[in-house]
Amino acid sequence: DAGVTQSPTHLIKTRGQQVTLRCSPKSGHDTVSWYQQALGQGPQFIFQYYEEEERQRGNFPDRFSGHQFPNYSSELNVNALLLGDSALYLCASSLGAGGHYNEQFFGPGTRLTVL
Amino acid sequence: AQSVTQPDIHITVSEGASLELRCNYSYGATPYLFWYVQSPGQGLQLLLKYFSGDTLVQGIKGFEAEFKRSQSSFNLRKPSVHWSDAAEYFCAVGAGNTPLVFGKGTRLSVIA
Repeated sequence: DAGVTQSPTHLIKTRGQQVTLRCSPKSGHDTVSWYQQALGQGPQFIFQYYEEEERQRGNFPDRFSGHQFPNYSSELNVNALLLGDSALYLCASSLGAGGHYNEQFFGPGTRLTVL
Repeated sequence: AQSVTQPDIHITVSEGASLELRCNYSYGATPYLFWYVQSPGQGLQLLLKYFSGDTLVQGIKGFEAEFKRSQSSFNLRKPSVHWSDAAEYFCAVGAGNTPLVFGKGTRLSVIA
């Protein structure tokens, strides 16, 4: 049983560019949450998708957007990249709309570096 | 707003020694509490969680944690540390339908 997978593993972009990160949830899971983990910090919640809709959003600007597909996979898009967007981006999947407290399974993350 | 404090940025213990990682939280109601572990290049793995009931919670890999409401703490313990326990440990708090709030983490090093 494949766990949560994320692609790409690493990514280097320059300021002002746009980036798309991808996540495939654990088999059987229907809820995907995205987190940003800056160096030396804990993960910060960006948003959560369930039934192809954004259900909750953390304190992140509109430059951060996402999408969930019918097969439950998800994308995170970041526009107009800033140096401060450099971080590890984690995807977590879970089952059900109460996705924060149903156990979340995390992927290995995508390391984004903005130059 | 809820918050989590992990006072120790880095802890070093000898293999076989006991371990306690501290976590203090701030939240108005009874929180849900979690401990996660992150190994290099890996995502977070849930060690244990507390929602209600018995305040001593058993988790995977021989870890346990105790919820102390009077001290607003949820410290993680292990009686005998193995070299493979070296990793980053995160405490997280939440309640209701609010997203989890994570602490900044404690890095554990294990020496022979």
